[in-house]
Amino acid sequence: DAGVIQSPRHEVTEMGQEVTLRCKPISGHDYLFWYRQTMMRGLELLIYFNNNVPIDDSGMPEDRFSAKMPNASFSTLKIQPSEPRDSAVYFCASSLFSGGPRNEQFFGPGTRLTVL
Amino acid sequence: GEDVEQSLFLSVREGDSSVINCTYTDSSSTYLYWYKQEPGAGLQLLTYIFSNMDMKQDQRLTVLLNKKDKHLSLRIADTQTGDSAIYFCAEMRGTYKYIFGTGTRLKVLA
Repeated sequence: DAGVIQSPRHEVTEMGQEVTLRCKPISGHDYLFWYRQTMMRGLELLIYFNNNVPIDDSGMPEDRFSAKMPNASFSTLKIQPSEPRDSAVYFCASSLFSGGPRNEQFFGPGTRLTVL
Repeated sequence: GEDVEQSLFLSVREGDSSVINCTYTDSSSTYLYWYKQEPGAGLQLLTYIFSNMDMKQDQRLTVLLNKKDKHLSLRIADTQTGDSAIYFCAEMRGTYKYIFGTGTRLKVLA
């Protein structure tokens, strides 16, 4: 398996533009997570899905952020309009619920977003 | 508080032991985790410990858990330059919600 795939790897945009980040989870995984990483705030959970349904979006910073999972193999995180303070590395992770102790999440390589 | 806390930086010499500390918040966490993030990459699970254990050893890694103080530590024996990375502790809240610490950046000096 190729692992979790994210695109683009790097995105530079100007304030006010719409940004769409994409994620393909590992095939067969039933959980998908979006995280944001910054120096100031560390790693923050934004939202997670189970079987394509959003379960907890309490970490989404504001209405400018939205996430969708139209099917089991694809998810998007959209920021509209983008602001300089949204600059961060955004990670997607997926997991398969096994009921066991590991509950391991597999992370993608991240998208580094810079908003000018 | 709500935060899982770690010191931000640690520097050690190659061959020495590294100890990375973490203070978590939820005493009901069943499992606690250590993840490793190498430069330019996502996080990878390094090890985990069940909350009814005090210690877990896995090759060069030793995890110590003090539930009374909600303190978790990761010891890396014979630290190598390849161990240079950011290390995150994490607790599980609910079924699947990880709360990650701030991360400790380990730098190994040759």
